[in-house]
Amino acid sequence: AQSVTQLDSQVPVFEEAPVELRCNYSSSVSVYLFWYVQYPNQGLQLLLKYLSGSTLVKGINGFEAEFNKSQTSFHLRKPSVHISDTAEYFCAAGRDDKIIFGKGTRLHILP
Amino acid sequence: DAGVIQSPRHEVTEMGQEVTLRCKPISGHNSLFWYRQTMMRGLELLIYFNNNVPIDDSGMPEDRFSAKMPNASFSTLKIQPSEPRDSAVYFCASRPSTGGGEQYFGPGTRLTVT
Repeated sequence: AQSVTQLDSQVPVFEEAPVELRCNYSSSVSVYLFWYVQYPNQGLQLLLKYLSGSTLVKGINGFEAEFNKSQTSFHLRKPSVHISDTAEYFCAAGRDDKIIFGKGTRLHILP
Repeated sequence: DAGVIQSPRHEVTEMGQEVTLRCKPISGHNSLFWYRQTMMRGLELLIYFNNNVPIDDSGMPEDRFSAKMPNASFSTLKIQPSEPRDSAVYFCASRPSTGGGEQYFGPGTRLTVT
């Protein structure tokens, strides 16, 4: 069975500080990995995705994620956050129509 | 591209009434998904279609919920009768046949059942 675990439900971080949002997955088959962002009162939109190739993936808004097969992780990072990054972030894993979403991590940016 | 279109954006109804949520996927996408999002349960997949055919409806909470996709450009999610516990944001998403699984989400319908 496939599962996605986001270890932190909320992450507070000061503006301009770095942030890492953690995601671990389990699957018996190889999967693609995704990070989505949901701003208040909006739908989810894709931040970045890993399909194959380089394990470091760069996305929009300065975010990047690293695929670590041995640790089955796909953590999301940003070197310096801005107040506009306040949102909920969802990690997802799977292929084609079989995508499983994590429960989300709320990123709170502190002034 | 207009993206995934959902209507209405907000719906307030009384318990026992029928509610119909609508979705227009992105043209050319062949998979369509309905999700429900609540604070308590997070994002839940209710049902998905591939080429207009329902593939997995195991997430539909009970018989009060039904979904249809009569053609490639339109889908509905119906709740009859509605109950207060159905209050949530309902998202529709669509996916092209290529790309590995990336889904494109609509803006959602916020349903309040009083």
